[in-house]
Amino acid sequence: QSALTQPASVSGSPGQSITISCTGTSSDVGGYNHVAWYQQHPGKAPKLMIYDVTNRPSGVSNRFSGSKSGNTASLTISGLQADDEADYHCSSYTSISTPLYVFGSGTTVTVL
Amino acid sequence: QVQLQQWGAGLLKPSETLSLSCAVYGGSFNGYFWSWIRQPPGKGLEWIGEINHDGRTNYNASLKSRVTISRDTSKNQVSLRLNSVIAADTAMYYCARGYCTSSSCKGGFGYWGQGSLVTVSS
Repeated sequence: QSALTQPASVSGSPGQSITISCTGTSSDVGGYNHVAWYQQHPGKAPKLMIYDVTNRPSGVSNRFSGSKSGNTASLTISGLQADDEADYHCSSYTSISTPLYVFGSGTTVTVL
Repeated sequence: QVQLQQWGAGLLKPSETLSLSCAVYGGSFNGYFWSWIRQPPGKGLEWIGEINHDGRTNYNASLKSRVTISRDTSKNQVSLRLNSVIAADTAMYYCARGYCTSSSCKGGFGYWGQGSLVTVSS
């Protein structure tokens, strides 16, 4: 059982916006601004899309945005494109004990 | 450009020892924490542990009794050993490094190896 809760699947049509939630506790998501989001295509390693809740690494499209409210973080993908179809994982740093990093179970995004 | 290249045995029998290595190219090795993360087939990611250039380690409490992460600074390599493997250890294993800002490297893992599939089966 994963430490962070994500919906199993989210879908949307091309051009639409979708939002994926990631719910933790005050010991992880709610306690630190170290939430990250990863995109993973089949057979590939995860790719960092958002770090420190809201920031995009160089080269990541500005269609991807992150936010956080309380113990829940969110990833929004706007202008949905076919290549956005992938699994998305959230993670959070936590120092309450080890593991130091906890992940969600992943969300499959389907572009209809 | 930081690149991580992994290698190691892919098929193990129960009770054997998992051994993987990860070489770092194109960037500094020192000054960073290097993590191992695994993903069972069809499931989410799990952080295994980390090591820094001083050799200081932190491990996931659920694996701590069986796991050892080491480093060879002369070769810019990090290694993972997991003893007494069981079927539940079957997973894709990744080495990874944090994406660092001026204040922290804890905000996410920005650099990943290609992954090593380890299957435990009798």
